[in-house]
Amino acid sequence: QSALTQPPSASGSPGQSVTISCTGTSSDVGGYDFVSWYQQHSGKAPKLIISEVNKRPSGVPDRFSGSKSGNTASLTVSGLQAEDEADYYCSSHGGSNNPFVFGTGTKVTVL
Amino acid sequence: QEQLQESGPGLVKPSGTLSLTCAVSGGSVSRDFFWSWVRQSPGKGLEWIGEVIHSGSINYNPSLKSRVTLSVDKSKNYISLNLSSVTAADTAVYFCAYSTGWYRLDSWGQGTLVTVSS
Repeated sequence: QSALTQPPSASGSPGQSVTISCTGTSSDVGGYDFVSWYQQHSGKAPKLIISEVNKRPSGVPDRFSGSKSGNTASLTVSGLQAEDEADYYCSSHGGSNNPFVFGTGTKVTVL
Repeated sequence: QEQLQESGPGLVKPSGTLSLTCAVSGGSVSRDFFWSWVRQSPGKGLEWIGEVIHSGSINYNPSLKSRVTLSVDKSKNYISLNLSSVTAADTAVYFCAYSTGWYRLDSWGQGTLVTVSS
């Protein structure tokens, strides 16, 4: 199964918003409401920031929000802060044979 | 919250077997969690390898299935990964993680770098 497609990079100034897309197919993103987003700072492990399309785990700021339309999911980071500079990966359930399909990753730069 | 710590050889020879363990602290591998392995090649994205639950149910990434073995050791409270017939393409940071459900990876270990080289 192919990786989900994300833009390689995105950027914004402090206080602005940035939205990252994650495009799959009807067999993954479009077929299930099991899209997650992970934040990965350089040299660190990924951290879950959104699950089930739009649910934030405890402790994740409400500046992070998720949505989905058809085969494309999106992550929006509002009120960008310096510490939001990281790589972001989406993930979707891809059926019984592939519980986790990851996106290609997006590097977010805070200008 | 469970803490995860990966360990194993940092260097494996081509055609050999990569063997890693993930120690679970602050909890038990016998909980109804799905314990996963994910890898990340240098400068690349994430690739899910497989998952195992204490009852023995296992799912593998179809692209790696023929070379991967996952297991749970309840007595030592860890999960293990074996990847056979490795090549340079298997050089990566290997993470263990767990899922409490709904196809999300709730928490991750810090990862361990494995290099395949002679």
